[in-house]
Amino acid sequence: LAKTTQPISMDSYEGQEVNITCSHNNIATNDYITWYQQFPSQGPRFIIQGYKTKVTNEVASLFIPADRKSSTLSLPRVSLSDTAVYYCLVGDRPNTGFQKLVFGTGTRLLVSP
Amino acid sequence: GAVVSQHPSRVICKSGTSVKIECRSLDFQATTMFWYRQFPKQSLMLMATSNEGSKATYEQGVEKDKFLINHASLTLSTLTVTSAHPEDSSFYICSAQRTSGRRDTQYFGPGTRLTVL
Repeated sequence: LAKTTQPISMDSYEGQEVNITCSHNNIATNDYITWYQQFPSQGPRFIIQGYKTKVTNEVASLFIPADRKSSTLSLPRVSLSDTAVYYCLVGDRPNTGFQKLVFGTGTRLLVSP
Repeated sequence: GAVVSQHPSRVICKSGTSVKIECRSLDFQATTMFWYRQFPKQSLMLMATSNEGSKATYEQGVEKDKFLINHASLTLSTLTVTSAHPEDSSFYICSAQRTSGRRDTQYFGPGTRLTVL
């Protein structure tokens, strides 16, 4: 089962800020939170990754509260090309030593003119 | 940095043939690579985890004899779909894990569209 819960879809307009919140109530101490963007017929593209507080890069910001049970991806001033599916993922590291990612449904963002 | 390639990007084959898909990490070494499958309008489903120099670990319900995985080097993993059938038609995506300290990040390839006639 996916360890995250996020809205199935969101609508926005060009130029607006979009915030997508993800719940991960059972996040483990060692888990990082990673967000990916996927366009149709393409592999997911890494957007941002964080552990706590706030992380910002040239594409987005990631806000993580102190309890780390949720996170919010913030996309400033979206454009039509930001229409995509956004996945929030928390790693699962079983005793094998590698980290598995279990994809949930993702959030389908539609940006309109 | 962190570029992952896949080849081929698209393949059409006849039922009963085998198809090999390559996944390469171009600018970093990856001890661990992953193979996913994605059907239309659905999310990615992990098929198996590929570790360099050892046998792959398959998820429940994935036939290891049908989906052969070889992780021959720190930059190359291959997935071979043996005796492919129409129900194997799907979008296959690989990822390579880059580790920095305690942080693991997966970077994904562009995917391979397999169509079995």
